[in-house]
Amino acid sequence: EVRLVESGGGLVQPGGSLRLSCVASGFTFSDHYMDWVRQAPGKGLEWVARIRHRPRSYTTEYAASVKGRFTISRDDSQNSVYLQMNSLEAEDTAVYYCGRGRGISHYTFDFWGLGTLVTVSS
Amino acid sequence: DIQMTQSPSTVSASVGDRVTITCRASQSIGTWLAWFQQKPGRAPKFLIYKTSSLESGVPSRFSGSGSGTEFTLTISSLQPDDFATYYCQQYNDYPLTFGGGTKVEIK
Repeated sequence: EVRLVESGGGLVQPGGSLRLSCVASGFTFSDHYMDWVRQAPGKGLEWVARIRHRPRSYTTEYAASVKGRFTISRDDSQNSVYLQMNSLEAEDTAVYYCGRGRGISHYTFDFWGLGTLVTVSS
Repeated sequence: DIQMTQSPSTVSASVGDRVTITCRASQSIGTWLAWFQQKPGRAPKFLIYKTSSLESGVPSRFSGSGSGTEFTLTISSLQPDDFATYYCQQYNDYPLTFGGGTKVEIK
């Protein structure tokens, strides 16, 4: 059974930092792209970042709203993907979901974790 | 960025109704479109990829069609478990983008 479990969310002040983690099980983690997607309270879904797998040199993509502030990384030996979030703003308040990439030439995401809530407030 | 526009934003329907949701892209995305279902307090569930391919385990009452800039998700006979919010998502280009969502509510 595919499982993705996020952790690391919490309350942080504007300008602060937080590191989210997502541990995967039930599939060969190293074979997959991995993503972070967020959802602000009562709002829709917003893709945040992607990290490709080793054959694609672990290259990354970011949404413009987080580029330069957030960094996605992965550790295939730990079946984990991370999101380092710096210079946090109130607009970053959201549930952050980890997602498994799915595709061949173009990639969407097929499994999601339960999410971890990040609240940016003073 | 490719903008994804869903309509309607809310649809009121009864069990057994046929429901159609439209998703329009601001530029051509080929057939690189996915659909997700989300219930309150839950993670999204993957329904359809590449416009019309049904994910394993998804009931056959769900179907998708379209290409280029216009796409539809159809639920042929609405069931109680289908009341939820539905999102389209393009994965033709970065940044990956979602539609604003369509809430299917009980009439």
